[in-house]
Amino acid sequence: DTAVSQTPKYLVTQMGNDKSIKCEQNLGHDTMYWYKQDSKKFLKIMFSYNNKELIINETVPNRFSPKSPDKAHLNLHINSLELGDSAVYFCASSQVWQTNTGELFFGEGSRLTVL
Amino acid sequence: GDSVTQMEGPVTLSEEAFLTINCTYTATGYPSLFWYVQYPGEGLQLLLKATKADDKGSNKGFEATYRKETTSFHLEKGSVQVSDSAVYFCALSGGSGGYQKVTFGIGTKLQVIP
Repeated sequence: DTAVSQTPKYLVTQMGNDKSIKCEQNLGHDTMYWYKQDSKKFLKIMFSYNNKELIINETVPNRFSPKSPDKAHLNLHINSLELGDSAVYFCASSQVWQTNTGELFFGEGSRLTVL
Repeated sequence: GDSVTQMEGPVTLSEEAFLTINCTYTATGYPSLFWYVQYPGEGLQLLLKATKADDKGSNKGFEATYRKETTSFHLEKGSVQVSDSAVYFCALSGGSGGYQKVTFGIGTKLQVIP
């Protein structure tokens, strides 16, 4: 029973297209995140939602728009895709508002390739 | 802002060798420190953690001690196995970014050869 699941796992698309990645967690967690991992494995937070409310919004181009229809789902929509958007996008969740235990639960990642 | 610096890989070791992956951090206040592991094709998993100075986190034969005086949290294992081949990330929370933000290092790839 997958705890944090993302779809699709692989996405290949042309520059200028719009695409979405979906994430769902069945852990009952209140907080969900999107992280971007580049080709050098560097992992950077993009967004965080707590109970459907945006709480972290790092310096991410406004072509990226997260949406949380309920606390178990956090989707990522990307407009006008660029080559530099190619990366692995990880969804994660945590149990409490303040992750002082640091335990994030990650999905398997969605590899986006922009041609 | 907060930052985590860890040694760049890849690190290649023979099976049963001793492993050290260095990690230092910069943060205000009293952050919590973590090591995450990412196996090929998977998401990250928490390996161990320490929430205050001098705490030692341990799991699966791996250990790391929170050293406030040297702002370090080095990962060690006495005898690595092929199955330990993965990317290891040092991370912190509770600095200037607050506890809701976990900041990761660049990751160190470990390859263990038989």
